[in-house]
Amino acid sequence: SQKIEQNSEALNIQEGKTATLTCNYTNYSPAYLQWYRQDPGRGPVFLLLIRENEKEKRKERLKVTFDTTLKQSLFHITASQPADSATYLCALSGSARQLTFGSGTQLTVLP
Amino acid sequence: DVKVTQSSRYLVKRTGEKVFLECVQDMDHENMFWYRQDPGLGLRLIYFSYDVKMKEKGDIPEGYSVSREKKERFSLILESASTNQTSMYLCASSSLLMRGAPYEQYFGPGTRLTVT
Repeated sequence: SQKIEQNSEALNIQEGKTATLTCNYTNYSPAYLQWYRQDPGRGPVFLLLIRENEKEKRKERLKVTFDTTLKQSLFHITASQPADSATYLCALSGSARQLTFGSGTQLTVLP
Repeated sequence: DVKVTQSSRYLVKRTGEKVFLECVQDMDHENMFWYRQDPGLGLRLIYFSYDVKMKEKGDIPEGYSVSREKKERFSLILESASTNQTSMYLCASSSLLMRGAPYEQYFGPGTRLTVT
């Protein structure tokens, strides 16, 4: 069955460092991958989408890579700030209407 | 800005009760989704709808039904609530495909349902 794994449930880093979150998948050939941010008590908010034929996508301090050979996406936040503390979810889609979500990685940026 | 609203933030119901969760979006989106979110399990798709009166089962439809009579409104129904349906329920909407790429989903704030 399809499986999505996000590295460690929690990740703590020091302010100013680069946070790297991992999303691995098995038994799946997604055409698109999305990343969302979720704050406590709120619904997820879309951050970035990357297609299978794109290696990398950037938006301000965010960078996403998509390696279909390794079946992995990396999500980077450079110059991290305490305000970046949240849970980050990856989501994959093959058929475009539906998304399959990972369980998320809780990031804490320490001042 | 897209706005997705859900009828309640917190809800407490008794086992066996019929429960209605309402979701309304104001951006004329074609697609609407219902998820539940549980610790360690992430977001799991219950049902989705891509048009009025259309519905498709997601990964965990058992014990749930849905209704979409108007484009902006998507209801989730628990016919007979059970304790294992205690969860956070999230509604989302998205537009149609553009050039083959799925649009992002916009989520409501969630309803935390407790069934006792």
